[in-house]
Amino acid sequence: EIVMTQSPATLSVSPGERATLSCRASQSVSRNLAWYQQKPGQAPRLLIYGASTRATGIPARFSGSGSGTEFTLTISSLQSEDFAVYYCQQYNAWPLTFGGGTKVEIK
Amino acid sequence: QLQLQESGPGLVKPSETLSLTCTVSGGSISGGSYYWGWIRQPPGKGLEWIGTIFYSGSTYYNPSLESRVTISVDTSKNQFSLKLSSVTAADTAVYYCARRGVGLPVDPWGQGTLVTVSS
Repeated sequence: EIVMTQSPATLSVSPGERATLSCRASQSVSRNLAWYQQKPGQAPRLLIYGASTRATGIPARFSGSGSGTEFTLTISSLQSEDFAVYYCQQYNAWPLTFGGGTKVEIK
Repeated sequence: QLQLQESGPGLVKPSETLSLTCTVSGGSISGGSYYWGWIRQPPGKGLEWIGTIFYSGSTYYNPSLESRVTISVDTSKNQFSLKLSSVTAADTAVYYCARRGVGLPVDPWGQGTLVTVSS
């Protein structure tokens, strides 16, 4: 099983600032890495797939990078609606696995 | 636009079998190369993939749950189902159904349904 590790667990950021979230895989997942945003009481929403491709309707302030075992999600200028929990997920191999999440909170 | 909706009992007794159904609308469950699956999230915790069925019938299960999980498809009703046997309180979670294209991530997701295991 590929273990996905996200850091930090919590990120305190002021509105308008940049947020950088990290995700590490225990073995290479190539670029088969997705990022999801989840708000309380809602299902996860796909933000990024293929490590760097924005899903339909996702604002340009969200960007992803990386390949192999190291990945980054960057939110260039945090808006109020961006405060949420973010999960990475590898879909390179079964079983599909998720990181433990990073909570982005208002500083 | 493809939509998925979970349904089933919100309360299950310990040692019994949890059964959920996902109804797919806006597309055919047997059309195209898609995986149909289940993911759960215990209250206040992270996401755990349970298992997936391919449109052809092949199944893939999380090894940690494999001995207790069965996922099946009913193409006549455009539905797929989850059965999880011998449940305990640790199986209390929001259960999501979702689709995944070959070589693509999980998307879209259903809205989720909370299942509580309690006597």
